[in-house]
Amino acid sequence: DQQVKQNSPSLSVQEGRISILNCDYTNSMFDYFLWYKKYPAEGPTFLISISSIKDKNEDGRFTVFLNKSAKHLSLHIVPSQPGDSAVYFCPRGSTLGRLYFGRGTQLTVWP
Amino acid sequence: SQTIHQWPATLVQPVGSPLSLECTVEGTSNPNLYWYRQAAGRGLQLLFYSVGIGQISSEVPQNLSASRPQDRQFILSSKKLLLSDSGFYLCAWSVHPNEPRNTEAFFGQGTRLTVV
Repeated sequence: DQQVKQNSPSLSVQEGRISILNCDYTNSMFDYFLWYKKYPAEGPTFLISISSIKDKNEDGRFTVFLNKSAKHLSLHIVPSQPGDSAVYFCPRGSTLGRLYFGRGTQLTVWP
Repeated sequence: SQTIHQWPATLVQPVGSPLSLECTVEGTSNPNLYWYRQAAGRGLQLLFYSVGIGQISSEVPQNLSASRPQDRQFILSSKKLLLSDSGFYLCAWSVHPNEPRNTEAFFGQGTRLTVV
């Protein structure tokens, strides 16, 4: 599904600094967006979500921003920790709980 | 609390052999159930979803089928595997909302299938 794109396949950040992960979308009719984190050989785990009617949602170190005019979604992690190293996905959510994923961004947090 | 079980964790099968992957959910009733696949170098792709016993919807045409014989059991099958069926298969569940809202899905640990 190419309606959500993660154009950066990887991101490397030093521990303690901010990680910014980005997604762009083409269809303005999305219901909501979610962020998932995935470690190798495991299923994705839910991080945070945002409704299409909001522009910000915060949960601890994680904040998601939605810029509807730019059709852009971002996840900020502050401060970044080595345990945050994983692949991050920003699937769009649709009816019946269906999720449509892009290819993800590999985040590496180094000490 | 809710848990999701998926097995086996890894599987190596020859081309043309059948496939059966099973997923069960505990601690909830009437969940929505899903099968996803992650092929090498690609994102997760939704294959099937189910909103109730015996109700299966397919997202993409493929060599696979799904069944839901019980409320919390979801099975992914194939009669004859192809090389292109190799991938990481994930089962997931979500609550059964009556309208679109922020409904996160909870994933199992996955099955790594290699077709040789």
